[in-house]
Amino acid sequence: GAVVSQHPSRVICKSGTSVKIECRSLDFQATTMFWYRQFPKKSLMLMATSNEGSKATYEQGVEKDKFLINHASLTLSTLTVTSAHPEDSSFYICSAPIPGTSGSQAFGPGTRLTVT
Amino acid sequence: GEDVEQSLFLSVREGDSSVINCTYTDSSSTYLYWYKQEPGAGLQLLTYIFSNMDMKQDQRLTVLLNKKDKHLSLRIADTQTGDSAIYFCAESLNSNSGYALNFGKGTSLLVTP
Repeated sequence: GAVVSQHPSRVICKSGTSVKIECRSLDFQATTMFWYRQFPKKSLMLMATSNEGSKATYEQGVEKDKFLINHASLTLSTLTVTSAHPEDSSFYICSAPIPGTSGSQAFGPGTRLTVT
Repeated sequence: GEDVEQSLFLSVREGDSSVINCTYTDSSSTYLYWYKQEPGAGLQLLTYIFSNMDMKQDQRLTVLLNKKDKHLSLRIADTQTGDSAIYFCAESLNSNSGYALNFGKGTSLLVTP
């Protein structure tokens, strides 16, 4: 149980285009989801907290107009990278708190974004 | 935020014990976690410890917590080649972010036959 999926797993796009990444909790509801970014040989960095029914909360230094987050339902959050640039190339991972646990989170498998 | 510190690389022989160390930043963190990431896969929760505990054992895994020094360690007994992966230490962020986590950079564990 407590499975989170992400789609797509890998995407290549051209500079200037927008890319949408979906994060779904498959067997539980998630009023909150988190989006992380993982740079090569670096830690995962929290980008934003996605809240169902309200605006996302962005961490300091993360451009909310560039990384649009929409928590459309209790099982789906989307991250849209707008006007992508090569420096946006990274591994994006979402997670959702598992209900009834001590703050444990289920992580998605991640999305590898390459901007050419 | 501040960095959670981990050594980047550890190599052990199959059958030996592995100890991965971590220094975290927030003394008010309620929970501390160890996650495992296998190549090409997502993160998998291995174990966690509540901040008022000193030790937690779960089969081959032993977690030790020194709150005074903000030091966390993960010991894997009888390490197997299948344990080769990246291990992330994480602290819970006590903020409006709810259960969000602050991760270390990860320790790459290589188990050799």
